[in-house]
Amino acid sequence: GAGVSQSPRYKVAKRGQDVALRCDPISGHVSLFWYQQALGQGPEFLTYFQNEAQLDKSGLPSDRFFAERPEGSVSTLKIQRTQQEDSAVYLCASSLARGTDTQYFGPGTRLTVL
Amino acid sequence: AQKITQTQPGMFVQEKEAVTLDCTYDTSDPSYGLFWYKQPSSGEMIFLIYQGSYDQQNATEGRYSLNFQKARKSANLVISASQLGDSAMYFCAMREGMSSYKLIFGSGTRLLVRP
Repeated sequence: GAGVSQSPRYKVAKRGQDVALRCDPISGHVSLFWYQQALGQGPEFLTYFQNEAQLDKSGLPSDRFFAERPEGSVSTLKIQRTQQEDSAVYLCASSLARGTDTQYFGPGTRLTVL
Repeated sequence: AQKITQTQPGMFVQEKEAVTLDCTYDTSDPSYGLFWYKQPSSGEMIFLIYQGSYDQQNATEGRYSLNFQKARKSANLVISASQLGDSAMYFCAMREGMSSYKLIFGSGTRLLVRP
C-alpha cells in the first residue's frame, strides 16, 4: 500500500512569507507526527495528533508554527512569517493506532528560507 | 546529557562485508524502545529494526540485527553482507517510557559501501 506522502517536496520562501506543508499519512493510521530535521542532525519532535486531536505540541519552536488535522487524516504544518532559522527538512510520520506503535515516515519537505 | 549518542559520523565498508554502527543511550526509565532508521539521499526515514527494553533476545530483521547490551546501554546495528544500496545515513532513536510516543534521535552515521 501507499506510504506517507508529503508535499511539496521542496519549498523556497522569502523571509517573512507564510508556508503550508502537507502530509498524507498511511491510510487508516490514527497517529500522526511532525518532526524537524536541521542540516546534519537527527529529527526533532514537533507535534503529535491522535485522529483530529493535537495531543502534544510541546516541540513547536514558536507561536509562528501551527499544525492541524481537521478530519483526522491529512495534516498541514503552517509556518507564519518564516525566518532563516526555519530552514530544515520537515518530516511527517504516522503510526497505526497508538502513538507507541512504530512510526513510518514520509520523504519530507525541504524548506529553504532566503 | 545526550539521550542518544552516535559517535561515528562516517563509516566505510567493503561490499559483502559486515559492519557495525554504534549507538549508546541514556535513560533512567526501565521501559523504553530502541529503533534504527535508514535515511537514503531521497530523504525518507525507513524503519529497520526495533528492540524493546524487556525483550530477552536481540532483534533481527533479515540482514539487520541489533546487538543490545542493556548493562552498557548500547544498541549497535549490525548489517551483514553489505550491499551498495546500504549507503545512507543511519539514525538510532529511543522512545522513553511505556506510554511515550516521542522519538529521540541521535545525530546519525553516514555509511558508504565500497564496491
